[in-house]
Amino acid sequence: RKEVEQDPGPFNVPEGATVAFNCTYSNSASQSFFWYRQDCRKEPKLLMSVYSSGNEDGRFTAQLNRASQYISLLIRDSKLSDSATYLCVVNPRGRYSTLTFGKGTMLLVSP
Amino acid sequence: DAGITQSPRHKVTETGTPVTLRCHQTENHRYMYWYRQDPGHGLRLIHYSYGVKDTDKGEVSDGYSVSRSKTEDFLLTLESATSSQTSVYFCAIKPGQGLHEQYFGPGTRLTVT
Repeated sequence: RKEVEQDPGPFNVPEGATVAFNCTYSNSASQSFFWYRQDCRKEPKLLMSVYSSGNEDGRFTAQLNRASQYISLLIRDSKLSDSATYLCVVNPRGRYSTLTFGKGTMLLVSP
Repeated sequence: DAGITQSPRHKVTETGTPVTLRCHQTENHRYMYWYRQDPGHGLRLIHYSYGVKDTDKGEVSDGYSVSRSKTEDFLLTLESATSSQTSVYFCAIKPGQGLHEQYFGPGTRLTVT
């Protein structure tokens, strides 16, 4: 099983749609979880951290299920500007904070 | 803006030549990282540093070396570049002891011909 697995997509959705991405991770000792966003030919940028209780930031909601080793990202009311690749990221070790990145899920939002 | 710059931003070099990429940060962060990103592989850690002169290998360190002689600079060297090292290289920093998220520089696009 790969360390962090994501559906590569692309997910094609119209503006205003709700879309959900899922991610699974293999290391049950993982401590921290994140979603990053990466635009074409740009660096990854932190979108949000994912907390055990779930967290929301505007139109974005992240959920963590430790028992199933599963992370999700929900985007409501999609905008054209949400088109990007979304990377699921896990901190598998506590010391020195190395991160393991999923390969990303591509989202294309159309008018 | 995490105050990270990378140089050069683009480079084309020939197989067998040495190449050094520079990552510079202005905010005195202790932890710095080098990644490469390739289609079908995502971001993979090459080397990282947890202080001046303190470095360790990541998952794809073969063919690469690093140096950190001062806090603000983390250098990645390809001793003898190969075509398989054609990639986009990202530097990142981790801002704090209790935080695990990382922030990335703009990247260096390296082509080895």
